[in-house]
Amino acid sequence: EADIYQTPRYLVIGTGKKITLECSQTMGHDKMYWYQQDPGMELHLIHYSYGVNSTEKGDLSSESTVSRIRTEHFPLTLESARPSHTSQYLCASSEFPGRVNTGELFFGEGSRLTVL
Amino acid sequence: DAKTTQPNSMESNEEEPVHLPCNHSTISGTDYIHWYRQLPSQGPEYVIHGLTSNVNNRMASLAIAEDRKSSTLILHRATLRDAAVYYCMPVRRDDKIIFGKGTRLHILP
Repeated sequence: EADIYQTPRYLVIGTGKKITLECSQTMGHDKMYWYQQDPGMELHLIHYSYGVNSTEKGDLSSESTVSRIRTEHFPLTLESARPSHTSQYLCASSEFPGRVNTGELFFGEGSRLTVL
Repeated sequence: DAKTTQPNSMESNEEEPVHLPCNHSTISGTDYIHWYRQLPSQGPEYVIHGLTSNVNNRMASLAIAEDRKSSTLILHRATLRDAAVYYCMPVRRDDKIIFGKGTRLHILP
């Protein structure tokens, strides 16, 4: 069973508000990811991290920012939410793949954001 | 990033085997091949992975071509619960994991 948690699961918020989506994992994984997905559409990588103090932008440009101050925690922040940010945000973590580790991605249950 | 090509959609009858193909012709020698699936209204879940040899687990089998430029995910006996989008991707140790469009699998009762 995956030990990766996202809060909130659902958030409805007005334009211009600052929001933070939380993601925590208790598996000690070094790699963590944020994906964005609209209903029926592809998963797009927006941020990833290989460990503490490591953050990189993904393939889809995003106005959000992330931080990785602790191994287990990878929050995503939107300074000023807009309706175009309405989407589902999925957090994931993995080990580095190798002879022993599969590198399997474990996903949280997602945070569905609606910006009015 | 290594690119993958998968059919947009496939159909299969319930209780029959399903072979889902994936081309990853730009794969590097040390890339693993991962498969995930996403059930409706859920996040993706890991299915199987391999490096060079064919692999079996409780969910599926993975057949990897000798040149590693393609692989096939095999569901031995499809059920309605296997209806999902299936993604394959090469996974490099020190690189990010990118999902493509995947194959939407429809199971007919």
